[in-house]
Amino acid sequence: DAGVTQSPTHLIKTRGQQVTLRCSPKSGHDTVSWYQQALGQGPQFIFQYYEEEERQRGNFPDRFSGHQFPNYSSELNVNALLLGDSALYLCASSPGHLSSYEQYFGPGTRLTVT
Amino acid sequence: AQSVTQLGSHVSVSEGALVLLRCNYSSSVPPYLFWYVQYPNQGLQLLLKYTSAATLVKGINGFEAEFKKSETSFHLTKPSAHMSDAAEYFCAVSDRKTSYDKVIFGPGTSLSVIP
Repeated sequence: DAGVTQSPTHLIKTRGQQVTLRCSPKSGHDTVSWYQQALGQGPQFIFQYYEEEERQRGNFPDRFSGHQFPNYSSELNVNALLLGDSALYLCASSPGHLSSYEQYFGPGTRLTVT
Repeated sequence: AQSVTQLGSHVSVSEGALVLLRCNYSSSVPPYLFWYVQYPNQGLQLLLKYTSAATLVKGINGFEAEFKKSETSFHLTKPSAHMSDAAEYFCAVSDRKTSYDKVIFGPGTSLSVIP
């Protein structure tokens, strides 16, 4: 079992650009949640996808959007990048009916915006 | 609204000493509570969780935590610190309104272990 995988590992973008981050959930999991972890802070919930729809959303602007595919993998898209979007982006997967307490995290994607 | 506070952004202990990391939460309903550990340049690993069974929860690597409703606390302890325990620790809370409520993390406590 490969666990939760994320790609790419690191990414450098320029202000105003767009970025797409990818996540493959743990085998048997159908729910994917995304978190943003700024340096020195705890993870902040962005949104959660289940059955290819956004089920929960945190306090993030519409520049942050996502998608879930039929195979349960997910993408996080961020448009019009700002310097403040520099962070570690974490993906967590879980079984849909237990998503609040059976989350498994991936290693994250480190995004640097210059 | 849910929230988590962690007293002490940095904690240093000597190898072999007691580890105590503090966590207090705010929740309008009985919560789920978690402790996660994060090693440098890695994702989060679940140490333990409270989901309304026993109030004393045992986790991996010798850690345990006690849920105290009257104090709204969920402090993490380990009797004897090991060098490999040096990491960032996050307390987290989730309401039980639904089974898929979002998880709210605290700001974290960085644990250093002195040889």
